[in-house]
Amino acid sequence: EAQVTQNPRYLITVTGKKLTVTCSQNMNHEYMSWYRQDPGLGLRQIYYSMNVEVTDKGDVPEGYKVSRKEKRNFPLILESPSPNQTSLYFCASSLFGGGVGQPQHFGDGTRLSIL
Amino acid sequence: DQQVKQNSPSLSVQEGRISILNCDYTNSMFDYFLWYKKYPAEGPTFLISISSIKDKNEDGRFTVFLNKSAKHLSLHIVPSQPGDSAVYFCAASAGTNAGKSTFGDGTTLTVKP
Repeated sequence: EAQVTQNPRYLITVTGKKLTVTCSQNMNHEYMSWYRQDPGLGLRQIYYSMNVEVTDKGDVPEGYKVSRKEKRNFPLILESPSPNQTSLYFCASSLFGGGVGQPQHFGDGTRLSIL
Repeated sequence: DQQVKQNSPSLSVQEGRISILNCDYTNSMFDYFLWYKKYPAEGPTFLISISSIKDKNEDGRFTVFLNKSAKHLSLHIVPSQPGDSAVYFCAASAGTNAGKSTFGDGTTLTVKP
């Protein structure tokens, strides 16, 4: 089954404790992206990757890091989480070239609470 | 500066009637538009798209209209069904910056039986 898998689905943690949210896709997609969704707001893009070893900032990259060492995985790293990073996070992938002409496939989300 | 706006946070329609969801954008470089549907506790799923070279795209009960001069697009659902109740997001991207996607805040559609 074609899917984007995020882990964990839920996490409660404390300020300053480094965490990683993993994202894996099994569709051999070149493009992957991370979004956050806050109440009443749409999805805001954090980082995206056009291909292996190619990453770039989205609209809200502050406080986040990413890496793309292999095609299927695109982890999101919070080096020193703060309460304003409490949010619902989505990972997505598409065949190539980002959003243009290519619908994105989304994971089911990771709900992070940072106390 | 919100480049994609969905000005109606919610919409309620009767089953069988038409649902019209609207989306406005400000960036004239956007040339591809997509609609996603999202159910609670799930990720968004792709619904329908349109490129700027077209003004209409149909897929079954779903039709998207694009008015480039007004920088406005709309999603029509006919007939509406209770299973269509979800949050609908409009998204836009530009070929000049293919990696970036900009989403609206979403419209919650409720279809009443």
